[in-house]
Amino acid sequence: DAGVIQSPRHEVTEMGQEVTLRCKPISGHNSLFWYRQTMMRGLELLIYFNNNVPIDDSGMPEDRFSAKMPNASFSTLKIQPSEPRDSAVYFCASSLDLGAGYGYTFGSGTRLTVV
Amino acid sequence: AQSVSQHNHHVILSEAASLELGCNYSYGGTVNLFWYVQYPGQHLQLLLKYFSGDPLVKGIKGFEAEFIKSKFSFNLRKPSVQWSDTAEYFCAVPPGWNRDDKIIFGKGTRLHILP
Repeated sequence: DAGVIQSPRHEVTEMGQEVTLRCKPISGHNSLFWYRQTMMRGLELLIYFNNNVPIDDSGMPEDRFSAKMPNASFSTLKIQPSEPRDSAVYFCASSLDLGAGYGYTFGSGTRLTVV
Repeated sequence: AQSVSQHNHHVILSEAASLELGCNYSYGGTVNLFWYVQYPGQHLQLLLKYFSGDPLVKGIKGFEAEFIKSKFSFNLRKPSVQWSDTAEYFCAVPPGWNRDDKIIFGKGTRLHILP
């Protein structure tokens, strides 16, 4: 199994530009989670999906952030427009059901730098 | 809802020292419990998990954790640490009694091993 695949690994963009982060969950996993990690705020859950349906997006910091899961094998997290304070590592994780019975498998993350 | 506390934010040890990292959850009962490790520049990886049975759980790389129901604790231990154990360690637990639920992460403990 290839694990959870995220792209790109690194992204540097200018303030105001649109950024799209991508995630491919493990085949057969039906839940997907987007996290953001910074030194200041630690690990934050942004949004999660179950069977491609968004369940809880209360962690999305602002309307500039949006996430979609058009099918079971792909999800995107979009920031438009991006700001320097969005600089962070963004992780995607997947699991069977919601994860309490199995745990999560994390992708390698996307390191986003907004200048 | 269930919450998880990691009281040690930063721990510094010398190689060969014994390790114990604290993890407490807010209320008792039957819970699933997890420890994750994040090595520098990497993603979170599952270290060990407890679902039921023997309260002493063995994980990878010589780590173990003990579920003590009366103390609402799931502390992580290793008898002799190595420099390569330098990482951040996260305890995680589902937010409620429902085992078909997401898991929530503690704020993490940064472990630094001096060579």
